Formats: sequence, C-alpha cells, structure tokens
Amino acid sequence: RKEVEQDPGPFNVPEGATVAFNCTYSNSASQSFFWYRQDCRKEPKLLMSVYSSGNEDGRFTAQLNRASQYISLLIRDSKLSDSATYLCVVSYNNAGNMLTFGGGTRLMVKP
Amino acid sequence: ETGVTQSPTHLIKTRGQQVTLRCSSQSGHNTVSWYQQALGQGPQFIFQYYREEENGRGNFPPRFSGLQFPNYSSELNVNALELDDSALYLCASSLAGSRETQYFGPGTRLLVL
Repeated sequence: RKEVEQDPGPFNVPEGATVAFNCTYSNSASQSFFWYRQDCRKEPKLLMSVYSSGNEDGRFTAQLNRASQYISLLIRDSKLSDSATYLCVVSYNNAGNMLTFGGGTRLMVKP
Repeated sequence: ETGVTQSPTHLIKTRGQQVTLRCSSQSGHNTVSWYQQALGQGPQFIFQYYREEENGRGNFPPRFSGLQFPNYSSELNVNALELDDSALYLCASSLAGSRETQYFGPGTRLLVL
C-alpha cells in the first residue's frame, strides 16, 4: 500500500465548475501536509499548506482530518489555467522538508 | 523562478554507466533534498544533505550517493545505471530550522538506454 494515495484521474471539468480532490495517508506520525501543483514537464510548486483548522487561499480550500488521515482540496470556479497535476504531500520530519508525495491527480479544465 | 538551478537539463546514458547531477540551492538555503520522479508517478525522496552530511534517506540503494559542498550546492551520483533509473531528478532547497517552504529546481531528465 502506498503511503499517500490519490485518485489519478483525469478529472475533466468545464470552466467555472467546482472540483474536489481527496487523498489518504497511512502514517499517523505525519506532521506537515501540503498540496503541490505540477505542470507538464515542470517542477512541483507549492500550492498551499494544509492545517487541521482548514485553510483557504482564494478559490482553493484545503482540509485535513487527522483522525481519518484524510486530506482534501476544493477548487471553485475552475479556470483553464488550473489544468495541471495536483500532488498530495505529507512530511514526517519536524522541518517539513522530507516529503512523501502521492501519485498525483490530473485535472483538465475545458472551455 | 525559485533560484534553484540544476544541471544538466537532459542526459542520456547506457546501462552500467555512472552519472553525476548537480544542484545549486537558493541563496541562503543550507539544506538540499533530492527526489526521483518516474513517468506518471509522484516524486520519491532519495536523500537530504545538511552541513555536508546526509541527513535522511529514502528507500534507495547505496549506488545512489550524494555530496554537499561548503557553498551548499549538491551532487547526486548514481552508479551502475539501470533502465528503471530513467526519471526526472529534482532537487529542492530549504533553510534548516525554518518552516519556510522548500523550493524545487527544474530537474534533470535522465534517460537510460
């Protein structure tokens, strides 16, 4: 079983749609949680950190459920530019810089 | 752009050969982590270097080794290359003791034939 599991997709949605991605992690000792975005043939870039209280950044909302070991990302009012692979990431070390990535969920936003 | 640079951008090698990949960290960052990303998968943690020593290691064999230099730049060396080593190799730099985000370089794409 993978340490971080995601539905690979692809999720094909029209512009303006709301889309949700989920992820589960197996190690209860995980300390830090993130969503990264990766465009085709590019490096991953941090989209947002995820906190137990939930956090929002514009159209993006992330939630963490430590009891269920579950992380979610909600994207509202999807834009064509949101098309990318979204990587769910956890870290077990205090500094949060030894990362374990999920396999990624591919999102394609269509006109 | 993040300020993390990697070289070369692309590389083709044959099975059994050795390869060295290089990473320059973002200014002020003293920790470098290396990741391997096979096609269609998420990146996998190889190891991390801090103060010129290996600070943590993922599930990779000893033929994957590294170095960190006094200027915090780093090398990843892979001996006895196998076909499955074909991947995008990413380095990421961060500042030890800080919860600041780590930044990834653009990666080196390695093809082993």
